[in-house]
Amino acid sequence: DVVLTQSPLSLPVTLGQPASISCRSSQSLVNSDGNTDLAWFQQRPGQSPRRLIYSISNRDSGVPDRFSGSGSATDFTLKISRVEAEDVGVYYCMQFTHWPHTFGQGTKVEIK
Amino acid sequence: EVQLVESGGGLVQPGGSLTLSCAASGFTFANSWMSWLRQAPGKGLEWVANIKPDGSGTYYVDSVKGRFTISRDNGKNSLSLQMNSLRVEDTAVYYCVESGREWGQGTLVTVSS
Repeated sequence: DVVLTQSPLSLPVTLGQPASISCRSSQSLVNSDGNTDLAWFQQRPGQSPRRLIYSISNRDSGVPDRFSGSGSATDFTLKISRVEAEDVGVYYCMQFTHWPHTFGQGTKVEIK
Repeated sequence: EVQLVESGGGLVQPGGSLTLSCAASGFTFANSWMSWLRQAPGKGLEWVANIKPDGSGTYYVDSVKGRFTISRDNGKNSLSLQMNSLRVEDTAVYYCVESGREWGQGTLVTVSS
């Protein structure tokens, strides 16, 4: 199975400051069509996960533009340009290039 | 607005069976890949099973192969997960997910004696 390794696992951030989460894959996530099936999800406390980013860098509808994704092949990053209180939660990267689809361990973002 | 409403969770003894259901609305169900994912208490996310839009193909994570069956009824916009030979480690919130994008609120399955 593809292993996704996130870092850091805990991220205390000051309001208004940037935050960055890394996701590294044990295999290339480029599929046979040349696309890369890597997504980012946010799970706020007590809520279901919500997809923020798909195909590395495409924001889902309604996702604030302070969220951005980047990377390629095996190395990916989620950035929050200015953290707001509503961004508290756990963030997961996920790949669906290979079956079984797999998630990173999650990164807990909290306010300092 | 996409809505996915799971039901059928509950407490079951090890070795028992349970069937989860998901009622879908707000999108063209028959055109969508559908999935079940789960999250054990205080843990991360795990993809459990996928089913193609027309139901012609299903995929399972190794830990549930031979025990779980995903199915769908496109006429009723519904998704199901039949779970047999349940184990303590199957305890989790189970989510119905559309195309890896939209999630239901989840239903809790507890396997315990």
